Amino acid sequence: ETGVTQSPTHLIKTRGQQVTLRCSSQSGHNTVSWYQQALGQGPQFIFQYYREEENGRGNFPPRFSGLQFPNYSSELNVNALELDDSALYLCASSGSGRALANEQFFGPGTRLTVL
Amino acid sequence: KNQVEQSPQSLIILEGKNCTLQCNYTVSPFSNLRWYKQDTGRGPVSLTIMTFSENTKSNGRYTATLDADTKQSSLHITASQLSDSASYICVVSSQYGQNFVFGPGTRLSVLP
Repeated sequence: ETGVTQSPTHLIKTRGQQVTLRCSSQSGHNTVSWYQQALGQGPQFIFQYYREEENGRGNFPPRFSGLQFPNYSSELNVNALELDDSALYLCASSGSGRALANEQFFGPGTRLTVL
Repeated sequence: KNQVEQSPQSLIILEGKNCTLQCNYTVSPFSNLRWYKQDTGRGPVSLTIMTFSENTKSNGRYTATLDADTKQSSLHITASQLSDSASYICVVSSQYGQNFVFGPGTRLSVLP
């Protein structure tokens, strides 16, 4: 176990709805990254938060947004859900904003299904 | 365009056999390369991480190699076990930004 937790484990939503996914980072880590992993594909970087500020973003539309709290836990919000948003959403924590040099520890993921 | 390619897409081997997975990348400038193991429906777990100056790194039965000149890496698994059945993902970090480029993974199945 990596010490990174995510909730919920599974979630079913309908098209057009909004969803919030949550991640608790490993103790002592101040950086959280979010990834989307479609079935049979590698994870795609959504964005990263370092000390409560967005610190990099991948090629995802603005309806994907996030927050990081003072305790370094994080939320991923997705508005106006589309069928293609169905995926495993992974959260990873690391010990510094310069996560390139540091190890990332992944949570178990949240499986989102959009009907 | 920064890309990571992996081969084969899937692989089936018998328990006890060795295998080698390949990773080619075009990410530049290069910072480091990681191999992850991902069980179905779970988050990836790190196996190795290598920087530009490292050619090989081992973690138990897993040995990763890196050729920064040809931009290739391999992951060799020795004496495979049933529990090695998983997806193996190669991830390359660029020296700039906070982006990690993930490969599509190789799906390994170890049969008894």
